[in-house]
Amino acid sequence: EAGVAQSPRYKIIEKRQSVAFWCNPISGHATLYWYQQILGQGPKLLIQFQNNGVVDDSQLPKDRFSAERLKGVDSTLKIQPAKLEDSAVYLCASSLTGAANTEAFFGQGTRLTVV
Amino acid sequence: GENVEQHPSTLSVQEGDSAVIKCTYSDSASNYFPWYKQELGKRPQLIIDIRSNVGEKKDQRIAVTLNKTAKHFSLHITETQPEDSAVYFCAAAQIGGYNKLIFGAGTRLAVHP
Repeated sequence: EAGVAQSPRYKIIEKRQSVAFWCNPISGHATLYWYQQILGQGPKLLIQFQNNGVVDDSQLPKDRFSAERLKGVDSTLKIQPAKLEDSAVYLCASSLTGAANTEAFFGQGTRLTVV
Repeated sequence: GENVEQHPSTLSVQEGDSAVIKCTYSDSASNYFPWYKQELGKRPQLIIDIRSNVGEKKDQRIAVTLNKTAKHFSLHITETQPEDSAVYFCAAAQIGGYNKLIFGAGTRLAVHP
């Protein structure tokens, strides 16, 4: 089956600029996650969607980050304005719901560098 | 909310030796504990997982143990090989809820020939 697709793979922007990342989950996966992975650290959950509804966004810096998942499929994550500390890999993952299908499949990630 | 701590942060072993990575979690409601392997520049990939209704699970050279009372779980790799070198992440989630997956900080494993 096709995996989780993310774009772009790399992005370099100046601080205070805006940027958007796109994710296409595995077909049929109702749950979609955005994680931020700073170099040398574990993935930090930013936001979790169940279909097109937000389940958890407690770690999302809402003053600058926003995310949406229209029609319960693709998702976009936006940062506006970016700060130097936003430099990280942004990982999108998806999973089926239900106890029997809990594996989260990750995309390749978008490496963001803020200069 | 859930907090997952992972130790050690780095681990260096000789080829053929065993490697053990330990994690503790804070939320007693967590009942699903996956382990992911991330090679340099690549995406994390699931290598093994365990649910709270079992205490141990094994898959060839990899095993995971769970102690629900103490709220800790461990990854055991036997007969390590150079291709086992990677960063390993443990995670915890609650099945039946919305499966919020919280990761540990990771362990960088280096296997030396």
